[in-house]
Amino acid sequence: EIVLTQSPGTLSLSPGERATLSCRASQSVSSYYLAWYQQKPGQAPRLLIYGASSRAADIPDRFSGSGSGTDFTLTINRLEPEDFAVYYCQQYGSSPPTFGQGTKLEIK
Amino acid sequence: QVQLVQSGSELKKPGASVKVSCKASGYTFTNYAMNWVRQAPGQGLEWMGWINTNTGDPMYAQGFTGRFVFSLDTSVSTAYLQISGLKAEDTAMYYCARKTRGSGGLFDYWGQGTLVTVSS
Repeated sequence: EIVLTQSPGTLSLSPGERATLSCRASQSVSSYYLAWYQQKPGQAPRLLIYGASSRAADIPDRFSGSGSGTDFTLTINRLEPEDFAVYYCQQYGSSPPTFGQGTKLEIK
Repeated sequence: QVQLVQSGSELKKPGASVKVSCKASGYTFTNYAMNWVRQAPGQGLEWMGWINTNTGDPMYAQGFTGRFVFSLDTSVSTAYLQISGLKAEDTAMYYCARKTRGSGGLFDYWGQGTLVTVSS
């Protein structure tokens, strides 16, 4: 199975700053089948990005995804207070679908 | 609008069984596969497997065979997760998640989660 490693484990930033989250795969992710989810405390994960760079419905354009092969990035521009949460990457091109361990984005 | 509404929290003793429900609305239930994802306390997301909502055929991830059973009642657009022989390590939040159409296991809608606590 494909192992996804996210870094950093915790990212401390202030509102208005830019966040850059990394996701590295143990082998190439086929067809850009890489997604990002946001999870806030007490809530279910929410799909943000799919296909490595396509935003899901109703996701603000300050969220963007990039990357290919084994290295992927989620960028959040101009952090808003509601963006502080845990972010998971997921590959869904190979079975089983697998998730990274998560990056916690916290307010500095 | 698409909604997945799960049953409420459960407190069970070791060795007991639990059945979690996930009721779908806002779309044609049999057009989308249903998946189950586990999240242990303070931990990440773990895919448990999925069920074909057309045929009822389940597929279980490694580590989720034997005690875990996925089932459906298409007449009420509901998927179920049953866990038997509960152990303390089964304590977790369990989510149902709808898979998008097409290839790959991308999950576009999630239930709110059901907390299962196993304790004597």
